Amino acid sequence: GQQVMQIPQYQHVQEGEDFTTYCNSSTTLSNIQWYKQRPGGHPVFLIQLVKSGEVKKQKRLTFQFGEAKKNSSLHITATQTTDVGTYFCAAGGSEKLVFGKGTKLTVNP
Amino acid sequence: DVKVTQSSRYLVKRTGEKVFLECVQDMDHENMFWYRQDPGLGLRLIYFSYDVKMKEKGDIPEGYSVSREKKERFSLILESASTNQTSMYLCASRGSPNTEAFFGQGTRLTVV
Repeated sequence: GQQVMQIPQYQHVQEGEDFTTYCNSSTTLSNIQWYKQRPGGHPVFLIQLVKSGEVKKQKRLTFQFGEAKKNSSLHITATQTTDVGTYFCAAGGSEKLVFGKGTKLTVNP
Repeated sequence: DVKVTQSSRYLVKRTGEKVFLECVQDMDHENMFWYRQDPGLGLRLIYFSYDVKMKEKGDIPEGYSVSREKKERFSLILESASTNQTSMYLCASRGSPNTEAFFGQGTRLTVV
């Protein structure tokens, strides 16, 4: 079945440093979704990318969808302590919603 | 506000018990999902349903079954709970494959 691989599994940064997580699929994706789970919370939808090469921004967060629609990335500029949590990508285009394993981000103030 | 509600936040059950985890959504969504979340393993799909009385196996269906008798309710059943089913269980729903999913608050199940 469809799988999405996500790296790194863990990332620890100093506040103010940048952070990137990557998501890869062996098959072409209809779309890619990104979610954030705060510690003790549940995943919350951030964004969906649909078009090849698409780039979307939300304040300090930049999301990219690869040209081949097989990979995606989430980049956070100048991390803050409020960014802590686990970031998941998900292959959302089929009826089966499959998630990557997530990247757990910790930020040292 | 959209809502996905799971019946229990915490649950402790004994090995061999039959366990029901309930999930209700108020958004008239067709698609509903059950995941379990374990450290280092991410969100693993157990079962999903795309319509009333319809169900599909996810990646780890063994030891679980589901029921969807009404559109708003999706139940996860552990026929005979075992200690290796101790986990966080998350329910989600969405309207279609190209829309966002909404999650419940999760049920932390401990099987002793």
